[in-house]
Amino acid sequence: GQQLNQSPQSMFIQEGEDVSMNCTSSSIFNTWLWYKQDPGEGPVLLIALYKAGELTSNGRLTAQFGITRKDSFLNISASIPSDVGIYFCAGQRGYSTLTFGKGTMLLVSP
Amino acid sequence: NAGVTQTPKFRVLKTGQSMTLLCAQDMNHEYMYWYRQDPGMGLRLIHYSVGEGTTAKGEVPDGYNVSRLKKQNFLLGLESAAPSQTSVYFCASRAQGAVGNQPQHFGDGTRLSIL
Repeated sequence: GQQLNQSPQSMFIQEGEDVSMNCTSSSIFNTWLWYKQDPGEGPVLLIALYKAGELTSNGRLTAQFGITRKDSFLNISASIPSDVGIYFCAGQRGYSTLTFGKGTMLLVSP
Repeated sequence: NAGVTQTPKFRVLKTGQSMTLLCAQDMNHEYMYWYRQDPGMGLRLIHYSVGEGTTAKGEVPDGYNVSRLKKQNFLLGLESAAPSQTSVYFCASRAQGAVGNQPQHFGDGTRLSIL
């Protein structure tokens, strides 16, 4: 099946630091999405990207749709403790299903 | 508004037992999905449905069956549970339309252990 390579697998940072994570694929996707999962809950959509080169922000979060359509990046600025969780990228090719990356676990030290 | 509700939240089974996981959504969504989440593996799609009475296989369908007899419900069945099916199972639903405008809404998961 399709593979999404997400990195890093985990990050342990101090409050106030900026965070970057990315996702790459050998296949082209038409849509890239970024989700966050809090412990014991299901993933929640953070940002959706539709066009190659698109840069979209949601508060302190900024995501970009790579120009080749095979990658995407998520940046979190000035991290806070509630940013803790697992961040997933997901790509869509067909009209109804998503392929998820393996996730980046983020830990933030106060 | 409950959103996506999964039942049960936890279950322990013995190898060979059968069970059904229930997903119910009250948002009148057309599409519904079942995923499993294992450590270090992310979310993998088991089966999905694009409407009442329709189902399709996802990435890891073996050992599971599904049914969508009513639009609001999507059932995931394990006919003969195996230890490899120990996982956290997530159901999701979304409305028709662009996936970003109509994102998947997830339930809180069912934690299933098979001994």
